[in-house]
Amino acid sequence: DAKTTQPPSMDCAEGRAANLPCNHSTISGNEYVYWYRQIHSQGPQYIIHGLKNNETNEMASLIITEDRKSSTLILPHATLRDTAVYYCIVRVYDADKLIFGTGTRLQVFP
Amino acid sequence: KAGVTQTPRYLIKTRGQQVTLSCSPISGHRSVSWYQQTPGQGLQFLFEYFSETQRNKGNFPGRFSGRQFSNSRSEMNVSTLELGDSALYLCASVKDTGLHEQYFGPGTRLTVT
Repeated sequence: DAKTTQPPSMDCAEGRAANLPCNHSTISGNEYVYWYRQIHSQGPQYIIHGLKNNETNEMASLIITEDRKSSTLILPHATLRDTAVYYCIVRVYDADKLIFGTGTRLQVFP
Repeated sequence: KAGVTQTPRYLIKTRGQQVTLSCSPISGHRSVSWYQQTPGQGLQFLFEYFSETQRNKGNFPGRFSGRQFSNSRSEMNVSTLELGDSALYLCASVKDTGLHEQYFGPGTRLTVT
């Protein structure tokens, strides 16, 4: 599975969009990009995934560059409850294990 | 529907002892994975079971083992505990292998003294 690089920490004002970047320059053609988050002392929570196209769900949007070497998770209106560690993961579709990196610690402030 | 449940939530053991942790997946889910989370190593994959068979295994010593029962409930066992085994042990379930979204339980916090 390809490795990912994320900034260790980011801040965001409540109500503003949080844009979390992820680099995955060695991603293979059959690897998906996944985002999970972990709120303190809880289990990770699935957010969104994508292969090539941009994706949106009720939680977030995922923007993947055309060359697929990087992506951005967008939380459109961050709230205090979005304070968490966000993990960007790439993996082959039918490989069940998730390889977590160090993630980005997002702090949403009032 | 009920989420992934893990028991016990907290556990204190002594070096050299063994421990068994339990995970009940979401009803209907057949795949269960286990992860270890420590401050130093982060989240690391331990193993994954599907239909009572181990499908994947991470890079952990043989002291770490697991199994899955016919009702998809899973247990993991750590023998001869070491101080470094102190960690949050997380279980995740998926309805079928290869599906995208894994649902994690709250974890079991194991402290080895």
